[in-house]
Amino acid sequence: GENVEQHPSTLSVQEGDSAVIKCTYSDSASNYFPWYKQELGKGPQLIIDIRSNVGEKKDQRIAVTLNKTAKHFSLHITETQPEDSAVYFCAASMGSSASKIIFGSGTRLSIRP
Amino acid sequence: GAVVSQHPSRVICKSGTSVKIECRSLDFQATTMFWYRQFPKQSLMLMATSNEGSKATYEQGVEKDKFLINHASLTLSTLTVTSAHPEDSSFYICSAISGGGRTDTQYFGPGTRLTVL
Repeated sequence: GENVEQHPSTLSVQEGDSAVIKCTYSDSASNYFPWYKQELGKGPQLIIDIRSNVGEKKDQRIAVTLNKTAKHFSLHITETQPEDSAVYFCAASMGSSASKIIFGSGTRLSIRP
Repeated sequence: GAVVSQHPSRVICKSGTSVKIECRSLDFQATTMFWYRQFPKQSLMLMATSNEGSKATYEQGVEKDKFLINHASLTLSTLTVTSAHPEDSSFYICSAISGGGRTDTQYFGPGTRLTVL
């Protein structure tokens, strides 16, 4: 079945440095790749997404890259701040379904002051 | 925009009782809503897809008679956990898709923490 793998499971970076989280997916028909940030005890919050017709997208300190040939996509956070500490999930659309997504296992990001 | 609410945020119940969780889209009409379950330090697992006016579609391994889903309007879906047991204790999260916008962007509610004693 469809699968999304996410690495690393935990990541600790110094405040101000960059953080990179990587995901791979199995279904070549996937065409939508959102990233979510989840703080403790809260629901996931969409932070950025990318579609298969685009290779890179940037929103202020956050950027996402997509390599459809290799079936992997990455989240880049620059100039990290303490409030970036959270669990981040990548996701990929399930094949031809326009709405169902499957989540990666999550990355716990800690920003060291 | 695209705000989704859930009620209650936290519920504690006795084993064998039923619990209803509401999911509302506050500023848009949701043609599709999803229900997820999340155990501690784990990812979100899709339980079912709820479409307004039709029966929910359940993922493999999810008991439809135990997790009753009703999507009676374009702004409300409910999940009822029937005859709850301690193993049903989890964080339940709903999401919604706006019918007027992108058909693939899911907006999540804040979640409901269910504890079954």
